Amino acid sequence: NAGVTQTPKFQVLKTGQSMTLQCAQDMNHNSMYWYRQDPGMGLRLIYYSASEGTTDKGEVPNGYNVSRLNKREFSLRLESAAPSQTSVYFCASGGRGSSEAFFGQGTRLTVV
Amino acid sequence: AQKITQTQPGMFVQEKEAVTLDCTYDTSDQSYGLFWYKQPSSGEMIFLIYQGSYDEQNATEGRYSLNFQKARKSANLVISASQLGDSAMYFCAMSHTGGFKTIFGAGTRLFVKA
Repeated sequence: NAGVTQTPKFQVLKTGQSMTLQCAQDMNHNSMYWYRQDPGMGLRLIYYSASEGTTDKGEVPNGYNVSRLNKREFSLRLESAAPSQTSVYFCASGGRGSSEAFFGQGTRLTVV
Repeated sequence: AQKITQTQPGMFVQEKEAVTLDCTYDTSDQSYGLFWYKQPSSGEMIFLIYQGSYDEQNATEGRYSLNFQKARKSANLVISASQLGDSAMYFCAMSHTGGFKTIFGAGTRLFVKA
């Protein structure tokens, strides 16, 4: 089982460029999530999708958009990257209520 | 608002000894869950243990146990017989039962010495 797969693993962007982070899960989970991890701050929820066709804002949604393409795939888009978006991004699935979340390997994004 | 506090930025423990990582939380929910995740230097997030707010017994998973003190709003992780491979970042997290929003603490970095 691949679990949760994120691409790319590393990315460097110039300020103002756009990009999409891809995420796919093969565990048949309804819920999927995007987090960002910054030093000293743990993980913060950007957006989540409770089920196919729905998305909702998390704690830090500004500057991001998401698309739940189907049950398996949940993408995160930066329309105009800013240095403040330099972070490690994690996609996760499952994790509703008492269920643990399964995380992808993370994407290290640097915006210069 | 919900909040998770991990007051130990870094901890050292001797191999084969037990260690406790602290976690306190704040919530007005009556039904919630507490999680611990491990993040090794390779970067992936690994689920370790879960405790529900209505669970009467402390959760245990192998060498991991969660010391749940509801009145104190604490959910400390105890690792018994530490191994070198336990060196990692550890995150405490909380979510409302049935909810989708999980909040994480800032983490504690554990160093296991040989």
